[in-house]
Amino acid sequence: ELKVEQNPLFLSMQEGKNYTIYCNYSTTSDRLYWYRQDPGKSLESLFVLLSNGAVKQEGRLMASLDTKARLSTLHITAAVHDLSATYFCAVDETGNQFYFGTGTSLTVIP
Amino acid sequence: NAGVTQTPKFQVLKTGQSMTLQCAQDMNHEYMSWYRQDPGMGLRLIHYSVGAGITDQGEVPNGYNVSRSTTEDFPLRLLSAAPSQTSVYFCASSYRGQGGDTGELFFGEGSRLTVL
Repeated sequence: ELKVEQNPLFLSMQEGKNYTIYCNYSTTSDRLYWYRQDPGKSLESLFVLLSNGAVKQEGRLMASLDTKARLSTLHITAAVHDLSATYFCAVDETGNQFYFGTGTSLTVIP
Repeated sequence: NAGVTQTPKFQVLKTGQSMTLQCAQDMNHEYMSWYRQDPGMGLRLIHYSVGAGITDQGEVPNGYNVSRSTTEDFPLRLLSAAPSQTSVYFCASSYRGQGGDTGELFFGEGSRLTVL
């Protein structure tokens, strides 16, 4: 059974600080996705990582993928309140079936 | 463009009732899928389709049926609702590359279902 584990599940951080969210998965897939979900809202795509060593950056967020370690990280630089949301990683094992992590609920405190 | 449209946004059912959650996309995506989101469990794939006339089961298909008669529409049917099906349901679609791989998912706004 494919497993996608995120940690931490809950993260409270002060504005201006840096932190990393980790996503471990049990398949050999080299396709990993990060999504953001605001409370009561839908999910929006943040990053698509399609190969080992892939790194993508958008504003204060940077995602990377290490397929050999089966690990992806989402790094937050100098957090601001607007980044408060739940972040999900997802793995596409067969090209058709996406498996999501349980999510990391991020709260940025002024 | 509307993107992915789901209806209804909210629904309350009694145990044993049936209903259909509608999903439509206007991006000409071949891939469509349904997920349920429960607290502490992330999103779990119910059914998916890689094109009109083709559907397949995901991680948690029991109690749900789907069909794909057109590229645009992918309805999810609950034949006999149970309290365990109380959840938030998301429809998502994606393009498919030349190699058949699916790209990033585009989600609808979600449908909150309560089964009493």
